[in-house]
Amino acid sequence: AQSVTQPDIHITVSEGASLELRCNYSYGATPYLFWYVQSPGQGLQLLLKYFSGDTLVQGIKGFEAEFKRSQSSFNLRKPSVHWSDAAEYFCAVAPQGYSTLTFGKGTMLLVSP
Amino acid sequence: SQTIHQWPATLVQPVGSPLSLECTVEGTSNPNLYWYRQAAGRGLQLLFYSVGIGQISSEVPQNLSASRPQDRQFILSSKKLLLSDSGFYLCAWTVPGTVNSPLHFGNGTRLTVT
Repeated sequence: AQSVTQPDIHITVSEGASLELRCNYSYGATPYLFWYVQSPGQGLQLLLKYFSGDTLVQGIKGFEAEFKRSQSSFNLRKPSVHWSDAAEYFCAVAPQGYSTLTFGKGTMLLVSP
Repeated sequence: SQTIHQWPATLVQPVGSPLSLECTVEGTSNPNLYWYRQAAGRGLQLLFYSVGIGQISSEVPQNLSASRPQDRQFILSSKKLLLSDSGFYLCAWTVPGTVNSPLHFGNGTRLTVT
């Protein structure tokens, strides 16, 4: 079965600084990979997804993620963080042809002025 | 366009009382439907998913059940709530037969069992 690890429970970044949120997955083949964002008390919104092809994926709100097969990683990045980016971020994995996703436990991003 | 509705947004129920949370999807037919629970520090746990009317797959045996009485309606129920049922419940849908379809989430229901 697939699993997802987000090693950082909380991260604090200064506004305007760059951001990288880590995600490692465990799966026997190349999975489908996703990043979602959740604002407090809200549902989850899809930021970006990787299925195949270019390993650098662009998403909404200026986010990007890079799939590295050798490291089983799918880290989320943003060059300059805005205060409105403060939220919880979830990485998720699904086998190809999936019907269900497995989520990591999330990373809470705090943005300091 | 497709939309997903969950209600109620918040709910406080005593231990031992029944539960019914409802989720409906508009603007699509025969969606795959999902119930997730989110507890603090534990990420999202898939509870149930459904690929069609009356078809329910349970991922985690527990005090909850799900039903899909209509194509775009998904209900989460319990006969007797436990304290451990407290959490944030999220309904989601995907387009069936489209392997690239991501999950689309509702705004969730915050359940507090007292």
